[in-house]
Formats: sequence, structure tokens, C-alpha cells
Amino acid sequence: EAAVTQSPRNKVAVTGGKVTLSCNQTNNHNNMYWYRQDTGHGLRLIHYSYGAGSTEKGDIPDGYKASRPSQENFSLILELATPSQTSVYFCASGDAWGGLDTLYFGAGTRLSVL
Amino acid sequence: QQKVQQSPESLSVPEGGMASLNCTSSDRNFQYFWWYRQHSGEGPKALMSIFSDGDKKEGRFTAHLNKASLHVSLHIRDSQPRDSALYFCAASEPHLPGTGSNRLTFGKGTKFSLIP
Repeated sequence: EAAVTQSPRNKVAVTGGKVTLSCNQTNNHNNMYWYRQDTGHGLRLIHYSYGAGSTEKGDIPDGYKASRPSQENFSLILELATPSQTSVYFCASGDAWGGLDTLYFGAGTRLSVL
Repeated sequence: QQKVQQSPESLSVPEGGMASLNCTSSDRNFQYFWWYRQHSGEGPKALMSIFSDGDKKEGRFTAHLNKASLHVSLHIRDSQPRDSALYFCAASEPHLPGTGSNRLTFGKGTKFSLIP
């Protein structure tokens, strides 16, 4: 099964600080995604990428940047963290064309912004 | 308006019972539908996909799609303790026309549990 590794698993940050969440996949998938999960909202797409060097805005990109320096790595960057960004963040990868893209999720990063 | 709406928010059935989860989309750009399952403390995992009208069965799980009404359902028979989880419906749409790549939009989820 596809392996997606997120780091760190838990993070406490201060308001106004910079936070970088990292994601690594070893399955040579083209597509990678960042979602956040909040009670009452389900999973919401922040940024995604369809290959090294590309990033696209998802449904809730404000306050977040993304970076895809290589096929394997996809980072989510919070330049100025705010308490509203306290959430569980999931990275996923997938590689299928035509709509049948099975996403493989990491175990998640729990972020608390104080 | 949420593009993918799920109901009910929570559902409890006795062990061995049958459960039905529902999902409706408001966007006809969606071409494929998925069910994902998430156990506590883990990331979601794909359960099954469906893109043709009618039923698709995988073991104790059956998905049903009605494209005309953009309604998809998931039926779980002979519910087992390991089925207790958060179930997400997701809909897929192309995000770069001509590239073949797509993006998923998830619903808010249905929390499914067994009655002890």
C-alpha cells in the first residue's frame, strides 16, 4: 500500500510564528494534496499539486502557502500562524487519470496555535 | 452551500445490523464518487468508488449511484465492530481540463457506531 509520511505528528505554535508541515510519499505519485479536518466541516482542500514545481489553490487557501520541490515532498507553510488554523492536517497522494484517483492519506499532523 | 452533503450526521446500529449512509451533490461537474472511512487517530482510507448508475458491491458494502439525482448511498450489512468509524462521501471533478487530473471534494462525514 502507498506510504505517505507526515511530520511532525504534533505541533504547538505561537500566534504570528511560522509553521512548516512536511509530507513525503515514496510511491512516485504525481498528485499530492493538503486537507484540514475540523469538526462540523469534514475535510477541506487547502492546496494541491500535480507534479514537482506546481501548486494549485484549493477551496480554503487563505493564510497558507504550499511548496512541491520534488516528486516525493509537499510542504504546507503557515507564514503567520493564527489560532483559527488550529486543526488536524492531512496530506494525501494519488496517481490516476480520468477521475479514478485513489487518495492515500498520511496519519495527520495535529497543530495547535496558541 | 456545501457541494457534497451527507446524512445522517451520526448513526448507530446493533452488531449484525444493516446501515445506510446517504450523500447528495449539488454540482453536475462531479463525475465520480467515493466512500472513504476513517478510524479514530488515523487518516482516511478509500473504501470504494462508483461512477456508473446502479449498484456496486464489495463484500459487506454496497454503493448505489443515481446520476440523474446526483445521489449516492452506502449500505453496510452485517455490521461489525471494526466498521465503527467516520465515513466520508467524496466527489471527483477535473481540475485541469485536458490533463486528466482531478480533485476530490469531501462531505462532512457520517459517524457510524455499533450499539453495544
